[in-house]
Amino acid sequence: NAGVTQTPKFQVLKTGQSMTLQCAQDMNHEYMSWYRQDPGMGLRLIHYSVGAGITDQGEVPNGYNVSRSTTEDFPLRLLSAAPSQTSVYFCASSYRTGLREAFFGQGTRLTVV
Amino acid sequence: GQQVMQIPQYQHVQEGEDFTTYCNSSTTLSNIQWYKQRPGGHPVFLIQLVKSGEVKKQKRLTFQFGEAKKNSSLHITATQTTDVGTYFCAGPQNNNNDMRFGAGTRLTVKP
Repeated sequence: NAGVTQTPKFQVLKTGQSMTLQCAQDMNHEYMSWYRQDPGMGLRLIHYSVGAGITDQGEVPNGYNVSRSTTEDFPLRLLSAAPSQTSVYFCASSYRTGLREAFFGQGTRLTVV
Repeated sequence: GQQVMQIPQYQHVQEGEDFTTYCNSSTTLSNIQWYKQRPGGHPVFLIQLVKSGEVKKQKRLTFQFGEAKKNSSLHITATQTTDVGTYFCAGPQNNNNDMRFGAGTRLTVKP
């Protein structure tokens, strides 16, 4: 049972480049979400999904897109990377967000130069 | 901005001293969760509190949920070096459709 798997673990991008952060879970969780973590800011919600085909914006959605075509996968797309998007990104899944515990992936450390 | 506030931001203690972190929400919460993140790691679930005034213990850790379900605390008795990390509280928002995290309290323990 792998839990929540994120790839890549590290990434360096140039300003303006695009990329996709991958997230997959094998626990059949309906709820998945993406957070970014910056020093002193805690975990800020970017986008979340309550099930396949359904996504919604969190606190800081600008510059990011998501889709949820399957229950297992929830990729995060950076459309045109900016230095302000340098951060650690965590994907999480839960049987019932807000009512049950969230399981986090190992994180992706992204640097935009 | 964040709707779940957490203090202090940092806490440095001598091994054996106690530690407390506090969490406050601007709205009534259906429940509150606590997570621990070790340096370089990812957040790991510790506990969930649901009932008003609830108190739960995990060995040296004591978790409380306020009577109004707007605040919570985590208290660690006699800290150990293994307690080092950042402790986050999190509360559900938007009809429980997403979790909002506090900024976290980073605990360091001097041996």
